[in-house]
Amino acid sequence: AQSVTQLGSHVSVSEGALVLLRCNYSSSVPPYLFWYVQYPNQGLQLLLKYTSAATLVKGINDFEAEFKKSETSFHLTKPSAHMSDAAEYFCAVSESGAGSYQLTFGKGTKLSVIP
Amino acid sequence: DTAVSQTPKYLVTQMGNDKSIKCEQNLGHDTMYWYKQDSKKFLKIMFSYNNKELIINETVPNRFSPKSPDKAHLNLHINSLELGDSAVYFCASSLGLAGVIDTQYFGPGTRLTVL
Repeated sequence: AQSVTQLGSHVSVSEGALVLLRCNYSSSVPPYLFWYVQYPNQGLQLLLKYTSAATLVKGINDFEAEFKKSETSFHLTKPSAHMSDAAEYFCAVSESGAGSYQLTFGKGTKLSVIP
Repeated sequence: DTAVSQTPKYLVTQMGNDKSIKCEQNLGHDTMYWYKQDSKKFLKIMFSYNNKELIINETVPNRFSPKSPDKAHLNLHINSLELGDSAVYFCASSLGLAGVIDTQYFGPGTRLTVL
């Protein structure tokens, strides 16, 4: 069975500092990995996804993530935090199905940005 | 135009009642999903529905039933509501091509409160 572990339920960074949100996965087959962001009282928005192409994946708003098979990790980074990045971030893993696939989410990491 | 919409946004009801949440997508997608987000922000898949194939998460009580009148709609019916059903329910959709891990687009969520 697939699973995702996000280390740190709450991360605080100063504005302009590096953002690092950690995600480790478990999957019996090559995984597909995602990062979603949820702003307060809103739905989820895809930041980026890994689908077995390049191991370094670039997403929206200058976020990127690197797939490391040896470490079973898919950590999310951003060089410089903005106040607008404050949100809940979810890592998710999936395996392909016959026309549908189900995302298994981590428990989320709340990012706070300090002025 | 909203890609994935849900109604209502808020739903407050008494224990034992039956209620429905509606979901519509105008993206032309073939697959739709329902997720439940609990009070700790944990997201869990409930159902996926693709070309009349329903995949049910085995942990979902049979009081919950998805109904799809057409490809653009996947409604969620809940019978005999219980306190533990209080959560935010998210609808999502994706292209649904077999073997393709495409992006899931999420609706804004419906906050269900059972009193």
